[in-house]
Amino acid sequence: SQQGEEDPQALSIQEGENATMNCSYKTSINNLQWYRQNSGRGLVHLILIRSNEREKHSGRLRVTLDTSKKSSSLLITASRAADTASYFCAAYGNNRLAFGKGNQVVVIP
Amino acid sequence: GAGVSQTPSNKVTEKGKYVELRCDPISGHTALYWYRQSLGQGPEFLIYFQGTGAADDSGLPNDRFFAVRPEGSVSTLKIQRTERGDSAVYLCASSLQGATYNEQFFGPGTRLTVL
Repeated sequence: SQQGEEDPQALSIQEGENATMNCSYKTSINNLQWYRQNSGRGLVHLILIRSNEREKHSGRLRVTLDTSKKSSSLLITASRAADTASYFCAAYGNNRLAFGKGNQVVVIP
Repeated sequence: GAGVSQTPSNKVTEKGKYVELRCDPISGHTALYWYRQSLGQGPEFLIYFQGTGAADDSGLPNDRFFAVRPEGSVSTLKIQRTERGDSAVYLCASSLQGATYNEQFFGPGTRLTVL
């Protein structure tokens, strides 16, 4: 069953703006991972944050994790047209990644 | 080729037929996972291998689904008596030792269409 839930589901922004997506999960986790997917095919790993970490950065990406609220956020700064994709959070625990339904992000040039 | 590969990329079959989907993980990755993704949804876990053994097959929807990894590398997902509801993209992922602190790297998927 789906565990992660992203909010909002669809986001349309202008190039250069920041995009923020939130995710919640239901059970205890070892880590939480964010992925990008284009055209409904392969998932590209973006960033992993461990359960004992609160914030992590990678390039234009910033991820936060609040285990007390069972939530995470992904911030993409200075968005580009190439960032247009679906973004999924996936909570890792119990031998598996539990994905949310995904956020469709459209960056308008 | 350093990534996870999957074959075929597309498979069209008729209801009731048998299909096999293949996954070739990243060399040296001992953990291998199968997921299934329906349109508009996130991937759903099917099965996890650590080495040659299925460490967790609790995500397989029913006994028509089976997967093997006989030599601890390539894995095959087998679906018997396919149904239209099996139509989805089947994704394979591998990680170094199991994803406690390791990323899972995904292949491009096999799009299965059951007519």
